Amino acid sequence: GQSLEQPSEVTAVEGAIVQINCTYQTSGFYGLSWYQQHDGGAPTFLSYNALDGLEETGRFSSFLSRSDSYGYLLLQELQMKDSASYFCAVSIKAAGNKLTFGGGTRVLVKP
Amino acid sequence: GAVVSQHPSRVICKSGTSVKIECRSLDFQATTMFWYRQFPKQSLMLMATSNEGSKATYEQGVEKDKFLINHASLTLSTLTVTSAHPEDSSFYICSASLASYSNQPQHFGDGTRLSIL
Repeated sequence: GQSLEQPSEVTAVEGAIVQINCTYQTSGFYGLSWYQQHDGGAPTFLSYNALDGLEETGRFSSFLSRSDSYGYLLLQELQMKDSASYFCAVSIKAAGNKLTFGGGTRVLVKP
Repeated sequence: GAVVSQHPSRVICKSGTSVKIECRSLDFQATTMFWYRQFPKQSLMLMATSNEGSKATYEQGVEKDKFLINHASLTLSTLTVTSAHPEDSSFYICSASLASYSNQPQHFGDGTRLSIL
C-alpha cells in the first residue's frame, strides 16, 4: 500500500511563507499532487510533480525529490483566503489516476 | 471546463433509509470516477473506483453491498448507501478526470453531507 506523512497544522501571518512537507512510501510511484480544501468545500487541484524539481504556479510552488520520497508545497505571500487544508496525494503506475491522500495539513493564516 | 456536479449537497434522513448520490461530469466524458468519504477533520478516504460499463472496484474494507455504485454512462456515476445507519453519516465526494493518465488532475464535486438520524 501507500502511506503519506504531512504535518497536521501550520499557523502563519499574512504575507509570510509556509512550506508543507510530504514524505511518502509507495511502490510504483508515478507522481505527487497537491490539493486545497476549504472547510465544507470540495478539494481543488493545485499542482502536480512527476519529475524532480520545482513547479511554480503563481504564489504556490511544489517540489519533488523522487530519490528522497519527499515533496513540499510552498505558499508565498500568504493571504487570509489561504486558510484551508492542504493534502498531498500520490498516484502509482499500476492504478492510472487513482489517488491516495495524506492526512492533510490545516493552514491557519492570522492577520 | 472540467466541471463535476454532485447532487444532493445535503441529506438528512432516518436510519434504515437508502440514499442515492449522483455525480455528473458536465463538460467532459469520464470513463472512471472515484468515490471518497471524509469524516470531520480527516483526510479523503477512497471508497471505490467507478468504471463505466463495468463493475466498480472497491477498496479494502468497503462493503460493496452497502455502497452500491452504478456507472451507466460516460457522464454519470451514482452511489447508493443502502439501509443507512448513523455511522454512515459523513461527507461523500466524487471526482473525475479528463483522462486516465496519472498526470491528469482530479476534479471534485462539491460533496454530499449525509446525516443519518
